[in-house]
Amino acid sequence: DAGVTQSPTHLIKTRGQQVTLRCSPKSGHDTVSWYQQALGQGPQFIFQYYEEEERQRGNFPDRFSGHQFPNYSSELNVNALLLGDSALYLCASTLEGGAETQYFGPGTRLLVL
Amino acid sequence: GNSVTQMEGPVTLSEEAFLTINCTYTATGYPSLFWYVQYPGEGLQLLLKATKADDKGSNKGFEATYRKETTSFHLEKGSVQVSDSAVYFCALRAGANSKLTFGKGITLSVRP
Repeated sequence: DAGVTQSPTHLIKTRGQQVTLRCSPKSGHDTVSWYQQALGQGPQFIFQYYEEEERQRGNFPDRFSGHQFPNYSSELNVNALLLGDSALYLCASTLEGGAETQYFGPGTRLLVL
Repeated sequence: GNSVTQMEGPVTLSEEAFLTINCTYTATGYPSLFWYVQYPGEGLQLLLKATKADDKGSNKGFEATYRKETTSFHLEKGSVQVSDSAVYFCALRAGANSKLTFGKGITLSVRP
């Protein structure tokens, strides 16, 4: 049973560029959440997708957008990258309903130069 | 809004020492509480959880009790091992399928 997978593992971009990160949820899970973890900090919630729609959003600008596909996988897009976007981006999946545990992927480490 | 406060780190202990990592929270309603662990170069793994007041979560020798009266969820282990060296995050979830709110995390180093 595959857990949550993310790609790529590492990424280097320059300011102003755009980036797309990908996540495949744990088998049987239908809800995907994205988190940003800056160095030395706890993860911060970006948004959550269920049934291909954004259901909840944290305090992040519109430069951060996402998508969920019919197979429940998800993408996180960040436009007009800033130096401050450098972080570990974590994807978590769960079953809709909330009682289940969120399972995290290994993350994508993004460096913006 | 909801928030989680963890004690300042890092923490360095000798093997077999007793561990306590403090965590307090602020939330509306009755949140579920979690401890996640992050080993070097890896994502977050759920260590233990508690979903209602007075519940005790336990796993791998770690324990934490949900204390509503003190709004706390302190993590304890009676005898730490070198393999417990990692970053530990306290988190809460308020509402079904709601987001997780994390503390800043604390780095634990256990020396032989």
